[in-house]
Amino acid sequence: QVQLVQSGAEVKKPGASVKVSCKASGYTFTGYYIHWVRQAPGQGLEWMGWMDPKSGDSNSAQKFQGRVTMTRDTSINTAYLELSTLKSDDTAVYYCTREIFAVVTGLDPWGQGSLITVSS
Amino acid sequence: DVVMTQTPLSLSVTPGQPASISCKSSQSLLHSDGKTYLYWFLQKPGRSPQLLMYEVSNRFSGVPHRFSGSGSETDFTLRISRVEAEDVGVYYCMQTIHLPGTFGQGTTVEIK
Repeated sequence: QVQLVQSGAEVKKPGASVKVSCKASGYTFTGYYIHWVRQAPGQGLEWMGWMDPKSGDSNSAQKFQGRVTMTRDTSINTAYLELSTLKSDDTAVYYCTREIFAVVTGLDPWGQGSLITVSS
Repeated sequence: DVVMTQTPLSLSVTPGQPASISCKSSQSLLHSDGKTYLYWFLQKPGRSPQLLMYEVSNRFSGVPHRFSGSGSETDFTLRISRVEAEDVGVYYCMQTIHLPGTFGQGTTVEIK
């Protein structure tokens, strides 16, 4: 079955960087964009950006530009989100999700989420 | 950025009764390809979001028929004909036609 499995929880200090992984299985990894969405504790969903695993092209929301890097390793079907210069308000669960774009469109499935805590 | 405004923000429903959530966008979500890229997601307690409806009114695979979506351009509605206990959670609308993608604030549905 189609599945996205993410890396585990991490605690980082302000100013540090974090790299979250998202391993895809059950489908052709290079055939679908990967999106990243985050959710601060008790808050709603915030779209961060997308990446094309085939070309490596990516596009992020303006508020993250300069701090976010989306990459992939097609040999292991894994996408990565790196966020630098972490601040306390970057504390959130980070989700990866696949974009489907054919007869059916949307974001499915979603990874289980990776909790990133930024604290001194 | 396109602002997505959901109402109400919370809903308490008796099992078997209907429920309705409104989502309004600050810009039209109608694409030149004729499709409207408005989605509904449900995030059950402690879980990742899951796709419920795509392109306004299409139920995603496995979604019960008691869920329906309607609307056009900037005004959309998600309806549950008869709420069941398993429908509790937070419902989000989302648009992807304009970057950045944006979500509504979320509507929490609980059972009375």
